[in-house]
Formats: sequence, structure tokens, C-alpha cells
Amino acid sequence: NAGVTQTPKFRILKIGQSMTLQCTQDMNHNYMYWYRQDPGMGLKLIYYSVGAGITDKGEVPNGYNVSRSTTEDFPLRLELAAPSQTSVYFCASSYPTGGDYGYTFGSGTRLTVV
Amino acid sequence: GDSVTQMEGPVTLSEEACLTINCTYTATGYPSLFWYVQYPGEGLQLLLKATKADDKGSNKGFEATYRKETTSFHLEKGSVQVSDSAVYFCALPTGGSNYKLTFGKGTLLTVNP
Repeated sequence: NAGVTQTPKFRILKIGQSMTLQCTQDMNHNYMYWYRQDPGMGLKLIYYSVGAGITDKGEVPNGYNVSRSTTEDFPLRLELAAPSQTSVYFCASSYPTGGDYGYTFGSGTRLTVV
Repeated sequence: GDSVTQMEGPVTLSEEACLTINCTYTATGYPSLFWYVQYPGEGLQLLLKATKADDKGSNKGFEATYRKETTSFHLEKGSVQVSDSAVYFCALPTGGSNYKLTFGKGTLLTVNP
């Protein structure tokens, strides 16, 4: 049972480059999320999805895009990377009935923009 | 909007000491409350939860009671171990949903042998 799988684990980008952070879950969860974690700041919601074909902005969506073509996959796209996007990114998913059962998190992607 | 406030860290304890990490919340109604734990180099894991007022969540020796009178959900453990060293996050659903979580800033706990 893999849970939530994120790739890559580490990445260094140059300013202006683009990349896609991959996230896959095998638990048939309808709900998926992307968070960023900055030191001392907790987690901030970037985007979320309540099912295939449905996405919505979270608290800090600027500079990011997402898609949800399947239940399993929820990639996060960074266009024109900026130093302010240096962070640890976590993907998570939750049960179809919503958050009462809590989230399952991936192990994270540590991104540095230089 | 709905939010949680955690005590500032870091917290450093000796093995077998008692632990309390404070968490207070602001919310409309009585949402579920959660504690998550993040071990070094890993993602967050659900530690325990409470879904209604006066409920007590417990797991791995940790406990937290949902107290609506004081709008609190403090995390407690009677005897910590070195393996409990981690960052602990309090969280609640926000934005009028029951699935989008808002997290506190996290409290770093270090337990020394």
C-alpha cells in the first residue's frame, strides 16, 4: 500500500525555469491537496481538488497551476520559478467523506530556486 | 475566519518528562480538531483527532481533549521518549468546508536521553 507518492524528492531550479511536481495516490481518495511548508510558518494550501476534473485555489495559488485528469494523479506545475517558491511541497489526499478522517501526506518535495 | 494558534516552540524535554503543547482555536460551530506529527525528513502523519466537543483523542500515549468552554485542544503525554522528537501541528477544517485543513505553525519538540 503506497499511499501518496511524490516525485522528485529534491530539485534545484534556476529562476525562470518551469517544472512539474508529481503526486499519485492509490487509496481512491476523491480529495487531494497541495501545501507548501515554509520554516516557522506552518503549511499553506496552494490548490485542492474534490474529484477528477475539479480544482480550486487555496490560500497561496499565485505562480502555480494544477490539473486533475484522473482520481489518482494531481500534478502541481510551477511556471517561471522565483526564489519565493523555495519551499517544501506536500501533496495530501483524504477520504471521500471529507476531512473528518484526516489526511494522508506524501513525503514531500524540497525545492530550491536559485 | 477559522484558525488555530499553537504555543511557540521549540520545546526541549528530558526523557520521561511530561509534555503539554497548547492549541486554541477560533471557529464557527464545532469542527473536528486534529493533531498531526512530522518526524524529521518525512511528511505529516495524523496523530489523533476529536470530532465533537468533550471528545478525547488518543494515540501512541498522546491525548487531547476537545474543550469548547476554553476553545482548546491541548496535546499531552505523560512520559515522552526520544522517539517523540518531531514537529507537532494542530489543525481544523476551515473555509466553510469539512475537508480543507488549516494548520498551526507547528511546535518543535526535542527529547534528550
